[in-house]
Amino acid sequence: DQQVKQNSPSLSVQEGRISILNCDYTNSMFDYFLWYKKYPAEGPTFLISISSIKDKNEDGRFTVFLNKSAKHLSLHIVPSQPGDSAVYFCAAYGTYKYIFGTGTRLKVLA
Amino acid sequence: NAGVTQTPKFQVLKTGQSMTLQCAQDMNHEYMSWYRQDPGMGLRLIHYSVGAGITDQGEVPNGYNVSRSTTEDFPLRLLSAAPSQTSVYFCASSYGASTYNEQFFGPGTRLTVL
Repeated sequence: DQQVKQNSPSLSVQEGRISILNCDYTNSMFDYFLWYKKYPAEGPTFLISISSIKDKNEDGRFTVFLNKSAKHLSLHIVPSQPGDSAVYFCAAYGTYKYIFGTGTRLKVLA
Repeated sequence: NAGVTQTPKFQVLKTGQSMTLQCAQDMNHEYMSWYRQDPGMGLRLIHYSVGAGITDQGEVPNGYNVSRSTTEDFPLRLLSAAPSQTSVYFCASSYGASTYNEQFFGPGTRLTVL
């Protein structure tokens, strides 16, 4: 049973436009939600997080939105840059465990 | 700081062989964990540890053992490798164990079981 889902395996966006990556979860007990970025042959790196008591968190070009009633979060990247091309994982934390989604491959076209 | 280190980078095993994937961190992190990454499956938690001497199971623990005798090291053991364990394995660590903290990942070990 997949507790954290990323239903879009891939996304292509033009450079300078907005990238929106989506994530759904099923467990309402998660305390934090996170986004990680992964380049090929490297480990994931932390991007941004949001507490379950917030609905928005911004860090530069990256904004994460949380809709608790819909059990949905999204990552907005504005403006998108070619260096943002990577696989993005959303994850949820609760009771010592981090549960990851299946990932979305973002390609930013120059 | 070296961060999180993993050895080996690549490994090929035959079915039934055993091996240990090494993971070490030099950041004095309490929390350490192991994940496997498979196509279409994302990162799945195998085992985790909230401190030296304490380990627990994640989502996919079968076929894997762990121990945490020191804060720095968290080895993952495959006692009898199976082709289904072909995967990329990542170790991660974070500062605290009682609540969320940013996890730092190692570069991964690519394991093939023939």
